[in-house]
Amino acid sequence: KAGVTQTPRYLIKTRGQQVTLSCSPISGHRSVSWYQQTPGQGLQFLFEYFSETQRNKGNFPGRFSGRQFSNSRSEMNVSTLELGDSALYLCASSLEVVYNEQFFGPGTRLTVL
Amino acid sequence: DAKTTQPTSMDCAEGRAANLPCNHSTISGNEYVYWYRQIHSQGPQYIIHGLKNNETNEMASLIITEDRKSSTLILPHATLRDTAVYYCIVATGANNLFFGTGTRLTVIP
Repeated sequence: KAGVTQTPRYLIKTRGQQVTLSCSPISGHRSVSWYQQTPGQGLQFLFEYFSETQRNKGNFPGRFSGRQFSNSRSEMNVSTLELGDSALYLCASSLEVVYNEQFFGPGTRLTVL
Repeated sequence: DAKTTQPTSMDCAEGRAANLPCNHSTISGNEYVYWYRQIHSQGPQYIIHGLKNNETNEMASLIITEDRKSSTLILPHATLRDTAVYYCIVATGANNLFFGTGTRLTVIP
């Protein structure tokens, strides 16, 4: 079974631009979560989608948004990029059972110049 | 927000058991303890989780104290490939995890 895939793997943008990252979960997984990882703040939860609905949200500004499609694939968007948005963005998927493991993708490395 | 306290770093000799402690004194009755690890430049990897009973799988054992205020992850025979940052997380749901700073485990040949 294929793992979680994320595209692109690397991205360079400039301040003020917007960016869209994509995540394809493991087949059969309906929950997709997004995380941001930076050296200063560590791994931080962004949001979780289940059946095309945002189910949980972390403490990030509204510039960070996401959506999930009917095939469970998910995208996250960051508008008006800031230097501090440079980070590794990780996507994780899991079965709909609540107390279960999450499978993480390799991440997208975003650099904002 | 992270509700756990872990040592910043630990060393372990290859082939020996690695015991990674975690304090979670404010854990609620419906919160599980999860352990993940992250090897450099990769996404985190699930290891194990538990509520109040000790748990074991092919990767590790999880020992939770009776009062549930602390736990220990045990890697029975550490190998060089176990060198990673290990995160202890308490959460009510598996899909919105709050990672702390973790413990950097270095397995020494």
